[in-house]
Amino acid sequence: DVKVTQSSRYLVKRTGEKVFLECVQDMDHENMFWYRQDPGLGLRLIYFSYDVKMKEKGDIPEGYSVSREKKERFSLILESASTNQTSMYLCASGLSARNQPQHFGDGTRLSIL
Amino acid sequence: AQTVTQSQPEMSVQEAETVTLSCTYDTSESDYYLFWYKQPPSRQMILVIRQEAYKQQNATENRFSVNFQKAAKSFSLKISDSQLGDAAMYFCAYRGLTGGTSYGKLTFGQGTILTVHP
Repeated sequence: DVKVTQSSRYLVKRTGEKVFLECVQDMDHENMFWYRQDPGLGLRLIYFSYDVKMKEKGDIPEGYSVSREKKERFSLILESASTNQTSMYLCASGLSARNQPQHFGDGTRLSIL
Repeated sequence: AQTVTQSQPEMSVQEAETVTLSCTYDTSESDYYLFWYKQPPSRQMILVIRQEAYKQQNATENRFSVNFQKAAKSFSLKISDSQLGDAAMYFCAYRGLTGGTSYGKLTFGQGTILTVHP
C-alpha cells in the first residue's frame, strides 16, 4: 500500500512565523502535490512537483513556497504565516500515467494565531 | 480552465437505501479522467472510483457506480445498499491530459457531506 505521511496532524503557529509542513511518500512517485482544503471550496492546489528540484505553481501559490530536495520528500513553506492561512493542508503523491490516482496523507490542520 | 461543481453541499440516506451524488464539470478537452474520492472523519482521502472519458461503459466498484454523461458533462456517483461506513465527505475530481495536468494535477469540486442514518 502507498503511504503518504505528513509530519503533523495539528499545528498551531503565530502570525509572522516561518512554518514548514513536511510530506514523505514511500512509493517512488515522481509527482507530489500540496492542497489546501477549506469548507465550501473543496481542495485547491497550491504547488506541485514533477521531479526533484522541479516545481510548478498551482491555483493559489501566493504566500507559499515549496522544496523538493529528495524524490520522497516535499515540503510546503509559509514564509511569514498569516491568519488567512489557517486551513487544512493535504499532501498527495502519484504517477504520471494517465489513469493513476493521487494518494493522500492524513492532512495537517494548521491554525495561525 | 477546467471547473468542477458539486451542487449538493449535504445529502443524507437511510442505511440500506440508495443515494446519488451529483457532479458536473466544464472542459474543452475530449480526453480526460474523472474520479470520486471519499474523505471520512479520519481525514484520509480514499479513491472510490474512476472513469475514463473515452469509455462508454459506466465504471462500477462493488456498491459504487457512476452515471457518466459526456455530452452533458455530468458524472454522478450512486451508492447502493448504503452502510454507516459510507458516511464521509465525497469529492469529485477532474484530470485532463494536456499541459500541467499531464503530471496528474486534479481539479476538485466543493465536496458533498453524506450522512447515513441507521
